[in-house]
Amino acid sequence: GAVVSQHPSRVICKSGTSVKIECRSLDFQATTMFWYRQFPKQSLMLMATSNEGSKATYEQGVEKDKFLINHASLTLSTLTVTSAHPEDSSFYICSARGGAGNEKLFFGSGTQLSVL
Amino acid sequence: GESVGLHLPTLSVQEGDNSIINCAYSNSASDYFIWYKQESGKGPQFIIDIRSNMDKRQGQRVTVLLNKTVKHLSLQIAATQPGDSAVYFCAEGLTGYSTLTFGKGTMLLVSP
Repeated sequence: GAVVSQHPSRVICKSGTSVKIECRSLDFQATTMFWYRQFPKQSLMLMATSNEGSKATYEQGVEKDKFLINHASLTLSTLTVTSAHPEDSSFYICSARGGAGNEKLFFGSGTQLSVL
Repeated sequence: GESVGLHLPTLSVQEGDNSIINCAYSNSASDYFIWYKQESGKGPQFIIDIRSNMDKRQGQRVTVLLNKTVKHLSLQIAATQPGDSAVYFCAEGLTGYSTLTFGKGTMLLVSP
């Protein structure tokens, strides 16, 4: 199957700092990637859809100035949590469809963000 | 047995048993359904998918059943193993639309 690489897997930061999370499609091109947030023992909540070469589409209630998304190439999307606060602590997961003709959604390994 | 926790229902089974995980989906227009397995601290892993023109699909040790009349999806795991312990999510989507909507998930605990 298609491989989606997410980095870093874990990050601990101080309140007020910004954190960047990278999501790469390793063996296919992804014009669209998705960013999810997951709290413990809960389901995945879609935050935004990242479109290569254009602005991301954010879900209702997600602050676009807080969660900056950049999708500058067909294999890389980044999510930057700006001025992070403890309530931003969560598990963030990216995903992408597996290339042309492949509807399956493949996920990165996730990033556990802990804001102190 | 099956129990409902604060957020996540849990299904506890013995090794070797068959497991059935259920999911009620929300959109009657959805025509594509997927089951994912998520182990602790990891991203979801694709298990099996099914389109709305089918009511059953089999994979290796897994079977997905779709009942469109009652908007119900189930995942059957044969001869459950301890390595199957994880949270299982169903997801629904619509052909032509990129996004998937995830169900609440079920935690499967397999005892040796």
